Amino acid sequence: DAKTTQPPSMDCAEGRAANLPCNHSTISGNEYVYWYRQIHSQGPQYIIHGLKNNETNEMASLIITEDRKSSTLILPHATLRDTAVYYCMASQGGSQGNLIFGKGTKLSVKP
Amino acid sequence: GAGVSQSPRYKVAKRGQDVALRCDPISGHVSLFWYQQALGQGPEFLTYFQNEAQLDKSGLPSDRFFAERPEGSVSTLKIQRTQQEDSAVYLCASSFPPGHMTDTQYFGPGTRLTVL
Repeated sequence: DAKTTQPPSMDCAEGRAANLPCNHSTISGNEYVYWYRQIHSQGPQYIIHGLKNNETNEMASLIITEDRKSSTLILPHATLRDTAVYYCMASQGGSQGNLIFGKGTKLSVKP
Repeated sequence: GAGVSQSPRYKVAKRGQDVALRCDPISGHVSLFWYQQALGQGPEFLTYFQNEAQLDKSGLPSDRFFAERPEGSVSTLKIQRTQQEDSAVYLCASSFPPGHMTDTQYFGPGTRLTVL
């Protein structure tokens, strides 16, 4: 699976958009970009995934560059409950789908 | 429906003891994963089951670690002769049947193991 790099930490004001970047320059054509988050003392939680096109769901939006070498997770209106470690990963899914988490980005949403 | 459950939530063991950690996946999920998460680190893959078959155990750190899923549902991770470096949170995840390339993994709350 491709290695990803993320900033170790970010701050965001409550109610503002949080934009979390991720670099995955060695991603292969059959690998999806996955985002999970982990709130303190809980198991990781799936947020969103995509292959080429931008994706949006009730939690977030995922913007993938045309060359697929980087992506941005957008939380449109961050709340205090969004404070967590956010992990960006590249994975083929299926039976090859063990996730390689890295250290992620610690997002702190402040009032 | 119910999510992935794990038991016990907390386990304290003396060095050298054997421990068994249980995972109940979401009903109908064929794939099951175990991860180990050390303090301050991201989860690291241990092993993967498809039904009762253990297809990948490349992440198990030593032969003291053993996982099974005999009937293709509940899984047990066993650690023999525990060492202090085994102290970590052990996470279980399950996902939809294979053949769907974008399986989403649903994680349990984890078991925090402390070896004294």
